[in-house]
Amino acid sequence: GQNIDQPTEMTATEGAIVQINCTYQTSGFNGLFWYQQHAGEAPTFLSYNVLDGLEEKGRFSSFLSRSKGYSYLLLKELQMKDSASYLCAVHHAGNNRKLIWGLGTSLAVNP
Amino acid sequence: GAGVSQSPRYKVAKRGQDVALRCDPISGHVSLFWYQQALGQGPEFLTYFQNEAQLDKSGLPSDRFFAERPEGSVSTLKIQRTQQEDSAVYLCATSRGDSNQPQHFGDGTRLSIL
Repeated sequence: GQNIDQPTEMTATEGAIVQINCTYQTSGFNGLFWYQQHAGEAPTFLSYNVLDGLEEKGRFSSFLSRSKGYSYLLLKELQMKDSASYLCAVHHAGNNRKLIWGLGTSLAVNP
Repeated sequence: GAGVSQSPRYKVAKRGQDVALRCDPISGHVSLFWYQQALGQGPEFLTYFQNEAQLDKSGLPSDRFFAERPEGSVSTLKIQRTQQEDSAVYLCATSRGDSNQPQHFGDGTRLSIL
């Protein structure tokens, strides 16, 4: 079966660092994406990991461990505008290339 | 435009009516996906096209749902005899087609069935 787990909600303070975890069990794996989605808007691409390790992109970093079926998204120097839902999505192997999505983590950044 | 464009942005229909949702992809993107997203949930895969070929329609919830992309560009998702449980946001996403390329999403169509 396909299963992706993320915490439902998280709260953090402006200027702090927050780590959003994602664990997955899927029948195929061809990479993992993180997306940000503000309420009422479309998901926007943040990062992609296919090899183990850390990918850094400005204030956002993403880590992958394929052997553990585990990824995290690290957000540094939090800003109020970072309040959003963060979605972990596994890229399914095979020729359909569909994404299997977690339910998302709703992050609230407080002043 | 530069991004994925979906229309209409909002659609209200009475139960039993047919609806058609349109997606204009980013130019040159060969892969096109339709997702359904309920409030507070992640997107659920519906169907996938590579150019005009529908390679996967395993996520379509019933035979009332039909998608096409006849010329490998614009796609239409049609829902026949709509039911209240069809109320959701329908997202279209496109990508260049390489497996490591991100999917870029349109703003979605918010469908409400009364």
